[in-house]
Amino acid sequence: EAAVTQSPRNKVTVTGGNVTLSCRQTNSHNYMYWYRQDTGHGLRLIHYSYGAGNLQIGDVPDGYKATRTTQEDFFLLLELASPSQTSLYFCASLDRDNERLFFGHGTKLSVL
Amino acid sequence: QQKVQQSPESLSVPEGGMASLNCTSSDRNFQYFWWYRQHSGEGPKALMSIFSDGDKKEGRFTAHLNKASLHVSLHIRDSQPSDSALYFCAASGSSGQKLVFGQGTILKVYL
Repeated sequence: EAAVTQSPRNKVTVTGGNVTLSCRQTNSHNYMYWYRQDTGHGLRLIHYSYGAGNLQIGDVPDGYKATRTTQEDFFLLLELASPSQTSLYFCASLDRDNERLFFGHGTKLSVL
Repeated sequence: QQKVQQSPESLSVPEGGMASLNCTSSDRNFQYFWWYRQHSGEGPKALMSIFSDGDKKEGRFTAHLNKASLHVSLHIRDSQPSDSALYFCAASGSSGQKLVFGQGTILKVYL
């Protein structure tokens, strides 16, 4: 099965802090996504990418930057973290053969 | 307002019972629907997809799609405690487009 690895698993920072969430997939998928999960809102798309160097804006992009350095690696950057960004973050890659998303285990971020 | 609405918010069924989850879209561009399942402490995993009107059956799971009413449902027969999880409905307008997720339904299967 497709493997998506996120790091760190947990992160605590303070308001105004700088945070980078990392994601690596080893299945040669071109499409990768960053979602945040909040109770009552489900999964909301922050940014996504079609390949190295490509970046697309999702539905809730404010306060987030992303960068896709290689086909395998996709990063989410919070340069001035705010308490409203406290959430569970998931990275996913898409298998275009069956249109199935493969998710990582998530990163729990707390902004104090 | 979310473009994909799920109901109920939570559901409890006895082991061996039938669980029925519902999902309605407000965007007529959505043509492709998925169900994802998330166990506690894990990422969501794809359960099944449905792209055509009618029923699609995979083991104990049956999805039903009515494109005219933009309604999709998931029925789980012979529910097991391992089915206890958060279930998401997701939709997209075309192949490869970004998925929009509903807010989720919590299913609890009790002994």
